[in-house]
Amino acid sequence: DAGVIQSPRHEVTEMGQEVTLRCKPISGHDYLFWYRQTMMRGLELLIYFNNNVPIDDSGMPEDRFSAKMPNASFSTLKIQPSEPRDSAVYFCASGIAGTSGDYEQYFGPGTRLTVT
Amino acid sequence: SQQGEEDPQALSIQEGENATMNCSYKTSINNLQWYRQNSGRGLVHLILIRSNEREKHSGRLRVTLDTSKKSSSLLITASRAADTASYFCATANSGYSTLTFGKGTMLLVSP
Repeated sequence: DAGVIQSPRHEVTEMGQEVTLRCKPISGHDYLFWYRQTMMRGLELLIYFNNNVPIDDSGMPEDRFSAKMPNASFSTLKIQPSEPRDSAVYFCASGIAGTSGDYEQYFGPGTRLTVT
Repeated sequence: SQQGEEDPQALSIQEGENATMNCSYKTSINNLQWYRQNSGRGLVHLILIRSNEREKHSGRLRVTLDTSKKSSSLLITASRAADTASYFCATANSGYSTLTFGKGTMLLVSP
């Protein structure tokens, strides 16, 4: 398996532009997570899906952020309009729950976003 | 909010030495996991320990869990330069719940 795939790996954009990050989870995994990592705040969970349905988006910073999962093999995280404080590394992770409800998460390589 | 907090924030050792990292958390958990992150890469799952387990081994890794003290430790024996990375603990409060990650310990292993 290729693992979790994210694109692009790097994105540099100007403030006010729309940014779309993409993720392909591992086939068969029923959970998908979007995280943001910064030096100051560490790794923050933004939103997660179970069987393509958004379960908890309480970590999404504001209405400028939106995420979709139209099918089991694709998800997007969109920022519109982008701001310099959105600069971070964005990770997508997927997982499959075991019978006891625990699961390990498999992370993609991340997208490093720089908003100037 | 951060559930797990790793200690120390940074650790520098020589190849062949053992490295011990600690994680403390505040509320009851279902399981605790350790992840490794190499510079510029995504996190990689290392080991999961459930709340009813006290110790687990995987290769050169040994994890302990003390639920009475709400703490866990990760021991890497006979460290190698390739072990240089950041190590994160993550807790799940209940079954099927999400993980809350600490801020990590940066480990530097010098040849």
